[in-house]
Amino acid sequence: GQQVMQIPQYQHVQEGEDFTTYCNSSTTLSNIQWYKQRPGGHPVFLIQLVKSGEVKKQKRLTFQFGEAKKNSSLHITATQTTDVGTYFCAGRYSNYQLIWGAGTKLIIKP
Amino acid sequence: GAGVSQSPRYKVAKRGQDVALRCDPISGHVSLFWYQQALGQGPEFLTYFQNEAQLDKSGLPSDRFFAERPEGSVSTLKIQRTQQEDSAVYLCASGNNEQFFGPGTRLTVL
Repeated sequence: GQQVMQIPQYQHVQEGEDFTTYCNSSTTLSNIQWYKQRPGGHPVFLIQLVKSGEVKKQKRLTFQFGEAKKNSSLHITATQTTDVGTYFCAGRYSNYQLIWGAGTKLIIKP
Repeated sequence: GAGVSQSPRYKVAKRGQDVALRCDPISGHVSLFWYQQALGQGPEFLTYFQNEAQLDKSGLPSDRFFAERPEGSVSTLKIQRTQQEDSAVYLCASGNNEQFFGPGTRLTVL
């Protein structure tokens, strides 16, 4: 069935280092969304990418959608403690259902 | 209301007990989703409503799970004869494109 693979599962960084998470689908996506879930919280929508090759930025966050619309990435520059949480991608194939990646947990080393 | 609300926030049930979880979506949202989230995992789709119509229940794990949204607003997820493997956080989301999540109900089955 349709599946979205997300790696890595965890990423430990020093504060100020960069962070990247990757998502990959075996089939073409209609669009992809990114969410952030803080510890103990619920997923919060960050952004949606629709177009092939699209790149969007939100302050220190850069989101990319691949040319084939099968992969996507989220890059955070100069991480801060407020960035801690789990980042999920969620791909849409049909007109309503999102298929979620397993998430990448961003951990800031003390 | 300002956001999606869910109740109860926490539920402890004895194995075999029936439970009912409530979701109040954002007013005017046609689409409503239920997800199950196990610890350290991404949300797993359970069911989807468009107004009062349940268009997809393919993610419900067994016939012990039942969901309804009779008037196209509030939704209830019912689990009959709960089992230990039902322990998880149950998330409700509404939204016509991006999804707005409620805080979830953490169900623990003893």
